[in-house]
Amino acid sequence: KAGVTQTPRYLIKTRGQQVTLSCSPISGHRSVSWYQQTPGQGLQFLFEYFSETQRNKGNFPGRFSGRQFSNSRSEMNVSTLELGDSALYLCASARGLNEQYFGPGTRLTVT
Amino acid sequence: GENVEQHPSTLSVQEGDSAVIKCTYSDSASNYFPWYKQELGKRPQLIIDIRSNVGEKKDQRIAVTLNKTAKHFSLHITETQPEDSAVYFCAASINNDMRFGAGTRLTVKP
Repeated sequence: KAGVTQTPRYLIKTRGQQVTLSCSPISGHRSVSWYQQTPGQGLQFLFEYFSETQRNKGNFPGRFSGRQFSNSRSEMNVSTLELGDSALYLCASARGLNEQYFGPGTRLTVT
Repeated sequence: GENVEQHPSTLSVQEGDSAVIKCTYSDSASNYFPWYKQELGKRPQLIIDIRSNVGEKKDQRIAVTLNKTAKHFSLHITETQPEDSAVYFCAASINNDMRFGAGTRLTVKP
């Protein structure tokens, strides 16, 4: 069974731009969660989607948004990029509750 | 919201020794506690987990204990090997709202 995949793997953007990241979960998994990983703040929870609905949300500003499609694939969008948004963005999928499996991440650099 | 604290931030042991990492959580509603191992440049990998209705779980050299009353849980690695060197993260979750500790960098010296 294929694992969680994320595209693109690397991205360089300029301050003020917006970016969209994509995550394809493990087949049969309906939950997709997004995390931001930085050296200073560790792994921080952004939000979780289940059956196309945002079920949980972390403490990030409204510039961070997401959505999930009927095939469980998910996208997250960051608008008006700031230098501090540079991070590794990880998504994780789960069949139901709890056991989450991570993708390889998208490394976003904002200049 | 949930707050997870993890100690120590770094841990260095000799090969063959045991390693223990401890975490505390704040929200008594948390009901799922996974541990992830992240090697340099790789994705976090689920290595063991425990649910709130269980006090201890073991998988070969790895064990996790949970004390719900005190709201803390621990990871125990016995007979450590150099390939155990990585950053370990604990987490506490309520229905997939998962919050992580800051991580422990474990170094196993041969």
